Amino acid sequence: NAGVTQTPKFQVLKTGQSMTLQCAQDMNHEYMSWYRQDPGMGLRLIHYSVGAGITDQGEVPNGYNVSRSTTEDFPLRLLSAAPSQTSVYFCASSYLPTGGNSPLHFGNGTRLTVT
Amino acid sequence: AQKVTQAQTEISVVEKEDVTLDCVYETRDTTYYLFWYKQPPSGELVFLIRRNSFDEQNEISGRYSWNFQKSTSSFNFTITASQVVDSAVYFCALSEALGAGNMLTFGGGTRLMVKP
Repeated sequence: NAGVTQTPKFQVLKTGQSMTLQCAQDMNHEYMSWYRQDPGMGLRLIHYSVGAGITDQGEVPNGYNVSRSTTEDFPLRLLSAAPSQTSVYFCASSYLPTGGNSPLHFGNGTRLTVT
Repeated sequence: AQKVTQAQTEISVVEKEDVTLDCVYETRDTTYYLFWYKQPPSGELVFLIRRNSFDEQNEISGRYSWNFQKSTSSFNFTITASQVVDSAVYFCALSEALGAGNMLTFGGGTRLMVKP
């Protein structure tokens, strides 16, 4: 019963560095997504995927890349980290890809600081 | 575009008081889904409830109850006889039926502090 697993839990980067936030789910969910949480702004969608090989942009995609080579994994890449990307990142998955008729299951988050 | 507003950024109550968290939403869709999530100090997001736009029945689950009113575009959350363990940030969220792949639009959250 692992659910949605995110690694690492904490990360500090210097401006310009690159890194990948990992997300894996073991529930055979087709839909996976990445959100960032900033104070007073709730969570905002970065990228999402409705199935292996299919990704699309969300509300705040700039500075982030994703790929979905398997159903289980949905990594988020920061190619050149900027201080504005300091945030808490959440990965989420659901069984159904559309319409909100299937609740999202969230990982425990990754707290990223860019100095 | 869809929008969720949680006007109360922070609420402080004393244990056993009742408290209502407000949520107002905007959407052009006739079919949509509303959610509440809880984020305790440990940081994870806990799903509390989902309602679809065609079901305006109020729901009660233990000390929690939800009041969905389409006429005022509101989906308010009430905790009866609050407890210290209810201290958390609570998020209201909206998903449109034809929206971008299960995208949730979140409100800014309400931080609830329950004092003993």
